[in-house]
Amino acid sequence: DTGVSQDPRHKITKRGQNVTFRCDPISEHNRLYWYRQTLGQGPEFLTYFQNEAQLEKSRLLSDRFSAERPKGSFSTLEIQRTEQGDSAMYLCASSLAQGYNEQFFGPGTRLTVL
Amino acid sequence: AQSVTQLDSQVPVFEEAPVELRCNYSSSVSVYLFWYVQYPNQGLQLLLKYLSGSTLVKGINGFEAEFNKSQTSFHLRKPSVHISDTAEYFCAVSGLRGYNKLIFGAGTRLAVHP
Repeated sequence: DTGVSQDPRHKITKRGQNVTFRCDPISEHNRLYWYRQTLGQGPEFLTYFQNEAQLEKSRLLSDRFSAERPKGSFSTLEIQRTEQGDSAMYLCASSLAQGYNEQFFGPGTRLTVL
Repeated sequence: AQSVTQLDSQVPVFEEAPVELRCNYSSSVSVYLFWYVQYPNQGLQLLLKYLSGSTLVKGINGFEAEFNKSQTSFHLRKPSVHISDTAEYFCAVSGLRGYNKLIFGAGTRLAVHP
């Protein structure tokens, strides 16, 4: 399977704990995106990487959130001191960099903060 | 800035009936338009897209959509639905320039009944 993969698929944590999610994009894709989807809503953009450079962060991404893409391959999204409001599905997508290119989405990581 | 409004949160329909899912957008610049489908416990899958050219676009699974610039709409249609079309459908836009960050609507849940 050469699609976008995300790990873990589900994460349950207690309020105040730190969590980290991983996204592996399609291998030749330069662009990588993170979105967050809460219940009953459409996905909302969080951040974007072109290769290893993080080029945009949404104001939704508070100081407790950090994302990295070392070496321009996989990406991690870390949430520190989780809050119940962080409970959501975290989606990763990747695409090629030239012109318009379709974003391919992974299955998501569902986070539940108790 | 762009925004997307999906006018119906839920659409119930009987199998083999036609269906239309409505989408309006707001943008001060030209945009690309998309419809994505999300089946339970799966990631987002692109149904169809409008980039330029013919305003009637055809996608996978027998869906089509028509871009209406004067009404800023991009409604999704299917002449005869199947039980397997039951899913969440998201309309999205992105700007023509840059890295194609997607702005999604809140989604429409299509429920096909036998």
